Amino acid sequence: DTGVSQDPRHKITKRGQNVTFRCDPISEHNRLYWYRQTLGQGPEFLTYFQNEAQLEKSRLLSDRFSAERPKGSFSTLEIQRTEQGDSAMYLCASSRIATLAGESYNEQFFGPGTRLTVL
Amino acid sequence: ILNVEQSPQSLHVQEGDSTNFTCSFPSSNFYALHWYRWETAKSPEALFVMTLNGDEKKKGRISATLNTKEGYSYLYIKGSQPEDSATYLCAFTKYTGTASKLTFGTGTRLQVML
Repeated sequence: DTGVSQDPRHKITKRGQNVTFRCDPISEHNRLYWYRQTLGQGPEFLTYFQNEAQLEKSRLLSDRFSAERPKGSFSTLEIQRTEQGDSAMYLCASSRIATLAGESYNEQFFGPGTRLTVL
Repeated sequence: ILNVEQSPQSLHVQEGDSTNFTCSFPSSNFYALHWYRWETAKSPEALFVMTLNGDEKKKGRISATLNTKEGYSYLYIKGSQPEDSATYLCAFTKYTGTASKLTFGTGTRLQVML
């Protein structure tokens, strides 16, 4: 499978525990994004990496959240001291620059997500 | 404030019906508009990306149009089939000069009934 993969697909944890999710992007993609989808909402941007550099972080990403991409390949998203409000689907996407009508645009390919439930 | 809106929120149609959804987005600093289909337990799948005003794209029975001046896009499904049942998301990219994040709408959930 050459698509974006995420692990685990489901995680149930108790409030206060730490959790870590992994994303493996498409191998030739140098850009990697994390999004979060809560019930009734569309996915919301959390953070973005180009190679190993974290270039943008959303205000949604509180101090309890940390993301890494140590070698510019896979990425991890850790949530410390989970709260019930962290329950959501966490999506990872990787991208390449494509050209359409002479313009470059960012085509993002998504993984299946990790569904987190905090009890 | 960057806001993408989709309507309707959900839709139930009979097999064979044609249907359409709307996505509205801010027209300033527009760069690209994406449509995704997201089936339960699967990855969101890219359907279309459109960048130019007046763009029309087609993929099988699904097509999309784009009006960047007034800030809307329509997605059409002709002759809906049960396998079209999914959530359809649109996402807007603003021109920022760097690789841009997607700003999503809340989606339209389509259920096609036999």
